[in-house]
Amino acid sequence: EAGVTQFPSHSVIEKGQTVTLRCDPISGHDNLYWYRRVMGKEIKFLLHFVKESKQDESGMPNNRFLAERTGGTYSTLKVQPAELEDSGVYFCASSQLRQWDEQFFGPGTRLTVL
Amino acid sequence: SQELEQSPQSLIVQEGKNLTINCTSSKTLYGLYWYKQKYGEGLIFLMMLQKGGEEKSHEKITAKLDEKKQQSSLHITASQPSHAGIYLCGADKQGGSEKLVFGKGTKLTVNP
Repeated sequence: EAGVTQFPSHSVIEKGQTVTLRCDPISGHDNLYWYRRVMGKEIKFLLHFVKESKQDESGMPNNRFLAERTGGTYSTLKVQPAELEDSGVYFCASSQLRQWDEQFFGPGTRLTVL
Repeated sequence: SQELEQSPQSLIVQEGKNLTINCTSSKTLYGLYWYKQKYGEGLIFLMMLQKGGEEKSHEKITAKLDEKKQQSSLHITASQPSHAGIYLCGADKQGGSEKLVFGKGTKLTVNP
């Protein structure tokens, strides 16, 4: 069974540019999460989808970040325009729609904003 | 403020030695997850603890959650180079396995 996949693995962009990160969860997983780890800090929650609906987006830093999950399958996270402080590793995780299920994490996308 | 404190931040041990990593919260945890990360890879789930006093083991790794559900420890017996990586504790602070909060991680190096 394929795990959570993320694309790209690395992205280097200049300040002001736009970047779109993609996450493909494990097939059949209704829960999809985005997390981010900024250098030197802990991994922090960004948002949570249940199928195509945003369940909790309390962790989104500001309105430059837009997450979508059309059709309840893969998800994209767009940063527009990117700022220096957006650099970090963006992780996606998925889980089945049951309480206490483990979250399976993808390898992450390392974003560098110059 | 950091919600989960992990200690130590880094640890270097000789192969074959035992070691313990701690994760502490000032508030009650509904679910405590241990993950391991290797560079360039995602987080690999190790164990999840829910009940106060619970203890789980997998191969040479044992995780415990205290009775008050505010502290967890991860113990590795007879460490091997394959145990090297970053160990992260994550917690569900609201109940329901939804958004997790994480500690900063403990970097483990095992020297052969």
